[in-house]
Amino acid sequence: DTAVSQTPKYLVTQMGNDKSIKCEQNLGHDTMYWYKQDSKKFLKIMFSYNNKELIINETVPNRFSPKSPDKAHLNLHINSLELGDSAVYFCASSQRASGDDQETQYFGPGTRLLVL
Amino acid sequence: GQNIDQPTEMTATEGAIVQINCTYQTSGFNGLFWYQQHAGEAPTFLSYNVLDGLEEKGRFSSFLSRSKGYSYLLLKELQMKDSASYLCAVRDSNYQLIWGAGTKLIIKP
Repeated sequence: DTAVSQTPKYLVTQMGNDKSIKCEQNLGHDTMYWYKQDSKKFLKIMFSYNNKELIINETVPNRFSPKSPDKAHLNLHINSLELGDSAVYFCASSQRASGDDQETQYFGPGTRLLVL
Repeated sequence: GQNIDQPTEMTATEGAIVQINCTYQTSGFNGLFWYQQHAGEAPTFLSYNVLDGLEEKGRFSSFLSRSKGYSYLLLKELQMKDSASYLCAVRDSNYQLIWGAGTKLIIKP
């Protein structure tokens, strides 16, 4: 059973386009995240979100916006794509509210975005 | 600023032992994680330390010294499948994970 899934796995698009990446988790977790991993392999948090709170990394351009239709989904919308947006985007989830101090994050398989 | 330092790359021999170090300077500390990431795949959880000392899990162990801002991941009886990047991440006072760039471990026969 897939715990955290993302679609699409690969996304090739032109500069200036608008695209979305979808993420779903079936772990019952209450917090979801979007990360960007660039060519140097740094994992950078973009957003963390639960029912109560959206935390935005202030370095993320406002062309990026998370949208959560429900607790199990956190989609990423990107407007006016730029060359520098090319990277691997990972969705992750964790459980914050259960008293699990460890709060391990579980990652989806990643979406490889290439902007031409 | 917040900083996680790890060696960029290490090489070890199949069957041997390797230690991957991680030093950190963060605003607060609420736990340290090690993740493994194979090329082209997602990071997967390996270990968690919040108190000083050694946590052992099979062939993998992780050590933490909070006073020194230091951790290491110890891999024993190395196998070819252990070739991967190993990411150190620290949870800060805001409960955000701060990630290192990862250490690429190359295992040679």
